Amino acid sequence: KAGVTQTPRYLIKTRGQQVTLSCSPISGHRSVSWYQQTPGQGLQFLFEYFSETQRNKGNFPGRFSGRQFSNSRSEMNVSTLELGDSALYLCASSLAAGGLTEAFFGQGTRLTVV
Amino acid sequence: AQKITQTQPGMFVQEKEAVTLDCTYDTSDPSYGLFWYKQPSSGEMIFLIYQGSYDQQNATEGRYSLNFQKARKSANLVISASQLGDSAMYFCAARRGNNRLAFGKGNQVVVIP
Repeated sequence: KAGVTQTPRYLIKTRGQQVTLSCSPISGHRSVSWYQQTPGQGLQFLFEYFSETQRNKGNFPGRFSGRQFSNSRSEMNVSTLELGDSALYLCASSLAAGGLTEAFFGQGTRLTVV
Repeated sequence: AQKITQTQPGMFVQEKEAVTLDCTYDTSDPSYGLFWYKQPSSGEMIFLIYQGSYDQQNATEGRYSLNFQKARKSANLVISASQLGDSAMYFCAARRGNNRLAFGKGNQVVVIP
């Protein structure tokens, strides 16, 4: 059974550009959550999707957006990149939304903004 | 918002010894899940163990066990027979129903031969 797949693994972008990250959850899982990890702020929740609907959103500016497709794959987009957006972006896959289900992460996408 | 507290400084552990990583959480919701993850230097967040708030037994997964003390809101991870490959950051996390994972700041563990 394949795990959570995030692509690309590494990205280097210039300030002002936009970027799209992809996450394919474990087969059969319908919930996908995104997290940003930085040395200063730790792990912060971005948003959660379940059955193509955004169920939760963290405290990030509108430059951060996401979507989920009918096959449960999810993308997140960051527009007008800033240096502070440099981080490891992690995606988590769960069978269902909510607290009483396990959550499995992908390997992450390491974004560097220069 | 939930608060997850991991206060231990970086730890050095002798190979083959057991290590306990402390985690306390703060929630008034009766229904929640508790998680431990391992993050090696590669960055991947590896799921180790899960405990549901209604589970009567402490969770175990191979060399990992979760010491769940509900009244104290404590969810300590015990790693038995440490191996060199256990060197990593370890994160405790909690999630309520229909809500996000809240993470602690992590514990750095270094296993020495």
